[in-house]
Amino acid sequence: DAGITQSPRHKVTETGTPVTLRCHQTENHRYMYWYRQDPGHGLRLIHYSYGVKDTDKGEVSDGYSVSRSKTEDFLLTLESATSSQTSVYFCAISESMTSGRLNEQFFGPGTRLTVL
Amino acid sequence: GQQVMQIPQYQHVQEGEDFTTYCNSSTTLSNIQWYKQRPGGHPVFLIQLVKSGEVKKQKRLTFQFGEAKKNSSLHITATQTTDVGTYFCLAGGTSYGKLTFGQGTILTVHP
Repeated sequence: DAGITQSPRHKVTETGTPVTLRCHQTENHRYMYWYRQDPGHGLRLIHYSYGVKDTDKGEVSDGYSVSRSKTEDFLLTLESATSSQTSVYFCAISESMTSGRLNEQFFGPGTRLTVL
Repeated sequence: GQQVMQIPQYQHVQEGEDFTTYCNSSTTLSNIQWYKQRPGGHPVFLIQLVKSGEVKKQKRLTFQFGEAKKNSSLHITATQTTDVGTYFCLAGGTSYGKLTFGQGTILTVHP
């Protein structure tokens, strides 16, 4: 498996509290992504990064912010958690595009977040 | 925007039976990727298809990309209990912001 870790692996928090999830890679890949996975919805892209301090929104970005101050770290923040953000969060990485096409993604182990 | 429909949502088979999952896009794709996720695990890359009409094989798995590059399929011959999991397609393009996963097909294999 690619060198990707996520922390924490499990978290229970209360509505209205801030939460930060961390993704750390040792592969020096340029691209990093945050997804959420919910039953019936598959994997949905929240935010992604194409370089240090370069980030953009995905399909379901409302209520989430991200930061990438170093190549190896990509942080996902829920400023004020809501119950609808209860989910499993996956971080993924990939190398730069090849011939204009996206490369394979390597996923971290996931973080299970419960918002009460 | 780009939409990807994956069917079926669930598939139960007896060990030894074949299995197929399909992904259909509303737009022409530059490429498509397939991933497998074991229960409790994370998605793992299986393969990428790029060319119109492309067919690739990995042991008992056969992947196809349609001629119009709007659909793709994953076929498993003679399923085994180790094939259990959820299979996802990822519709690719030239923009990372337009990445779209199919909803996934959950495969159960009964011994």
